[in-house]
Amino acid sequence: AQSVTQLDSQVPVFEEAPVELRCNYSSSVSVYLFWYVQYPNQGLQLLLKYLSGSTLVKGINGFEAEFNKSQTSFHLRKPSVHISDTAEYFCAVIPSGTYKYIFGTGTRLKVLA
Amino acid sequence: EAGVTQSPTHLIKTRGQQATLRCSPISGHTSVYWYQQALGLGLQFLLWYDEGEERNRGNFPPRFSGRQFPNYSSELNVNALELEDSALYLCASSLPGLALEQYFGPGTRLTVT
Repeated sequence: AQSVTQLDSQVPVFEEAPVELRCNYSSSVSVYLFWYVQYPNQGLQLLLKYLSGSTLVKGINGFEAEFNKSQTSFHLRKPSVHISDTAEYFCAVIPSGTYKYIFGTGTRLKVLA
Repeated sequence: EAGVTQSPTHLIKTRGQQATLRCSPISGHTSVYWYQQALGLGLQFLLWYDEGEERNRGNFPPRFSGRQFPNYSSELNVNALELEDSALYLCASSLPGLALEQYFGPGTRLTVT
């Protein structure tokens, strides 16, 4: 069975500092990888996705992620965060041949002034 | 272009009652997906409808059901409500054959008392 693990439930970071949100997955088949952001009382917004090609993926709002197949990881990074980045971030996979997301439990990013 | 819309925003029901949640996909999208975001459980895939047919189902009991109408809007019904059904229910939609690019609505928060 496939699964997605986000080891950090909460990550506090000061404004303008870099941040990395970790995501690891387990799957017996190849997967497509996604990061979503959820602002308070809102739905999910796609930050970036990896379908194929270059393992370094750039998304919106200055975020990027790198797919590491050997470590089955897809960590999300931003070199300098803003207060407005405070939100919950979800890593997700879609196993090849299926059409349903498997989400991690989310990481709450809190940017401090 | 209007995004995915969901109604109602909030819904309060008592145990044993039935709840009906509605979703309107983005214009041109024929697939609708339902997810449950319960506290402590993260986001879980519920149902996928495409062209009026149920294509896939998550690990939920039969009292979770739904349908998709000819205009591609969808309804999620939860019968015999239980306290643990309290959650945010998210709907997403995609273009035909593009299940890897799902766009999410703001959700309906269901509270069961």
